[in-house]
Amino acid sequence: TQLLEQSPQFLSIQEGENLTVYCNSSSVFSSLQWYRQEPGEGPVLLVTVVTGGEVKKLKRLTFQFGDARKDSSLHITAAQPGDTGLYLCAGARGGGNKLTFGTGTQLKVEL
Amino acid sequence: DTEVTQTPKHLVMGMTNKKSLKCEQHMGHRAMYWYKQKAKKPPELMFVYSYEKLSINESVPSRFSPECPNSSLLNLHLHALQPEDSALYLCASSMTVRFTEAFFGQGTRLTVV
Repeated sequence: TQLLEQSPQFLSIQEGENLTVYCNSSSVFSSLQWYRQEPGEGPVLLVTVVTGGEVKKLKRLTFQFGDARKDSSLHITAAQPGDTGLYLCAGARGGGNKLTFGTGTQLKVEL
Repeated sequence: DTEVTQTPKHLVMGMTNKKSLKCEQHMGHRAMYWYKQKAKKPPELMFVYSYEKLSINESVPSRFSPECPNSSLLNLHLHALQPEDSALYLCASSMTVRFTEAFFGQGTRLTVV
């Protein structure tokens, strides 16, 4: 059973467009992380959110944790080709020690 | 130093071979992980080591054998693998198992022929 569902699964956009990726679950998470992974590389941590309703910004990326800590979103403003990659949310429950990864969103930004 | 280093980067092995994947970190992290990732899929947890002791084995077949010789090193010994075991094998570390912010290595691309 996949606890974290991401949508959309694939996204192909033009440079300069905005986009939002969603990460949804019926379970409550104590913290949630977003990673970006490029082909042939390991995932790179972008952000961790821990408080319900929390919003964090990382340059053109805005991350939000849902009030009930069951869902999260990633918004990218003015996407660039360098944003291309696989975006993964990952949640930790209870005392930690195990991350559950989301189903992933493959983003392609074209010139 | 915020790197997790994995070797080799690529590995091709036969079904009767024995090989090992290596992972090293010098961040003082006391939790280390092995994940398996198939193409276009999220990473799947295989093993968790906490303070050099195996704390989680996600029902991984015995042809995969992890080892944590010290707090900086993590190995994955491979024996009698099947072609379906071909995947990207990722090592990760975190401060402790209670701090799940993980730093990942580049992975080893394993092909079983």
